[in-house]
Amino acid sequence: DAKTTQPNSMESNEEEPVHLPCNHSTISGTDYIHWYRQLPSQGPEYVIHGLTSNVNNRMASLAIAEDRKSSTLILHRATLRDAAVYYCILRNFGNEKLTFGTGTRLTIIP
Amino acid sequence: DAGVTQSPTHLIKTRGQHVTLRCSPISGHKSVSWYQQVLGQGPQFIFQYYEKEERGRGNFPDRFSARQFPNYSSELNVNALLLGDSALYLCASSPPGTRSLYEQYFGPGTRLTVT
Repeated sequence: DAKTTQPNSMESNEEEPVHLPCNHSTISGTDYIHWYRQLPSQGPEYVIHGLTSNVNNRMASLAIAEDRKSSTLILHRATLRDAAVYYCILRNFGNEKLTFGTGTRLTIIP
Repeated sequence: DAGVTQSPTHLIKTRGQHVTLRCSPISGHKSVSWYQQVLGQGPQFIFQYYEKEERGRGNFPDRFSARQFPNYSSELNVNALLLGDSALYLCASSPPGTRSLYEQYFGPGTRLTVT
């Protein structure tokens, strides 16, 4: 599985946008970029995914670099409930297995 | 709709014992995956089952086994428990069709402590 690199931790102020980076320089053409998050004492939760184009949903936006070697998860207006570990995952098409790294621990400052 | 449910929530076992963990997927989901999450790390894939057949296996010893029942619920069994098996065991289910390729729904996990 292709690997991803994320910062160990980030802090952001409440009600401000948050940009969570992910590097995946060895991504293949059939790898989808997924983001999951894990709130304290809960299982991971699907956030968003994309292949080449930027994606938006009710939770977040995903900005994918033109060469696909990096991506950024954007939380438009962070709330305290967004404090979690965010995982950037590459998943090859047709493979349901998720390979998690250590993720980015996001702290929201009130 | 109910989410993925797992039982028990917590349990404590002694080294060498056997444990069975249970998972009920979301209604309509036919695929179930198991993950192990050691403290401070991301979840690690153990097994995936679809329609009662094993579809994938992670890098875990043969002490770990699983099965899926006709109602799509699943059990994870671990024999000869080691201290290193202490972890949060997560079950995830996937919806049918192409959505299974990008959405997995995780349960709250079973916290296993081996002493």
